[in-house]
Amino acid sequence: AQKITQTQPGMFVQEKEAVTLDCTYDTSDPSYGLFWYKQPSSGEMIFLIYQGSYDQQNATEGRYSLNFQKARKSANLVISASQLGDSAMYFCAMRELASGSARQLTFGSGTQLTVLP
Amino acid sequence: DAGVTQSPTHLIKTRGQHVTLRCSPISGHKSVSWYQQVLGQGPQFIFQYYEKEERGRGNFPDRFSARQFPNYSSELNVNALLLGDSALYLCASSLREPYEQYFGPGTRLTVT
Repeated sequence: AQKITQTQPGMFVQEKEAVTLDCTYDTSDPSYGLFWYKQPSSGEMIFLIYQGSYDQQNATEGRYSLNFQKARKSANLVISASQLGDSAMYFCAMRELASGSARQLTFGSGTQLTVLP
Repeated sequence: DAGVTQSPTHLIKTRGQHVTLRCSPISGHKSVSWYQQVLGQGPQFIFQYYEKEERGRGNFPDRFSARQFPNYSSELNVNALLLGDSALYLCASSLREPYEQYFGPGTRLTVT
């Protein structure tokens, strides 16, 4: 069964600095996708970045990058130049991609990021 | 373009009642998934529909059911509500599997 672990319930970062949010995963499927979502207090889940298990390079989207270490089964999110608007809950999620695999996203428990002025 | 829409935004029900939540996917998206997010936790998968067929079901009791209509909108039904059903219910749509899902704003259900 697939599992996502986020060990940081809360993180603080100073505005304009970089921050890394940790995520480890467990799956027996060789083909999978890893996602990061941001959830502000309003509740809507906002897609940030995607990494496929066979992707050779780490994914990047603007200020977001994913530090993918396949052998260690980790997929940490790096946010550069933090902004006050980055304060939110961040979720790591995974989907197994092999034929016949479960179709759902499995989420971690989340990390509450607070950006300090 | 309009994003995923959900209705109602908030809902208060009494134990034992029935509730129907609605979701309209992004135009052109044929896959809809439902998730339950209890306060302080990550979302838990309930159902996925693609082209009006159920493609996946999470570990939820039979009190939970869903369907997808020809226009790809979807309903989630919950019967015999329990206090533990109080949660944010999120709907997500995707153009095709297995790529990113786009979430709606959610329906916040309170069961008293």
